[in-house]
Amino acid sequence: GENVEQHPSTLSVQEGDSAVIKCTYSDSASNYFPWYKQELGKRPQLIIDIRSNVGEKKDQRIAVTLNKTAKHFSLHITETQPEDSAVYFCAASGGNYQLIWGAGTKLIIKP
Amino acid sequence: GAVVSQHPSRVICKSGTSVKIECRSLDFQATTMFWYRQFPKQSLMLMATSNEGSKATYEQGVEKDKFLINHASLTLSTLTVTSAHPEDSSFYICSARDGTAAHRFGSGTRLTVV
Repeated sequence: GENVEQHPSTLSVQEGDSAVIKCTYSDSASNYFPWYKQELGKRPQLIIDIRSNVGEKKDQRIAVTLNKTAKHFSLHITETQPEDSAVYFCAASGGNYQLIWGAGTKLIIKP
Repeated sequence: GAVVSQHPSRVICKSGTSVKIECRSLDFQATTMFWYRQFPKQSLMLMATSNEGSKATYEQGVEKDKFLINHASLTLSTLTVTSAHPEDSSFYICSARDGTAAHRFGSGTRLTVV
């Protein structure tokens, strides 16, 4: 079945710097790749997603890139702010719409 | 739009009792909802896929007689933890597709079994 690996497990960056989180997937049939932000005790919030027919998508300080050939996708956050501190999850899904989740990355923004 | 409501947000119950958790799609119809369990500092673990009008599909290792799922309408799915024990204490969360591939999540239920 599908497997999604996410790295790093913890990422600490200086406020204002950029953060990059990477995920790889195993099923070439996967065609939808969302990223979620989860604060402690809260629900995961969809922050950006990308479909397999697109290589890059950007929304203000957040961008996602997808390399279908290599089967990996990345989340890029620029000009990081303290409120970006949270756990970020990547996921992948195919025709059954079931999300396969990465293990999560704890992002720490240092003031 | 695309709001998923989940209740209760917190529940404490005695060992051996049952607890029902509700998940509602407020402004869209959800033919499929998903139930997850999340342990501290871990990713979401899919327990089952809830299909409106039919039986839920459980993931391997999830006891269907312990975690009863009912999806009676296009806007409501329920998860009942039967004969709860302390090891069932966890954060349970539901999600539903909003008509696209995107999943919207409920606010989660923190279950504590004492």
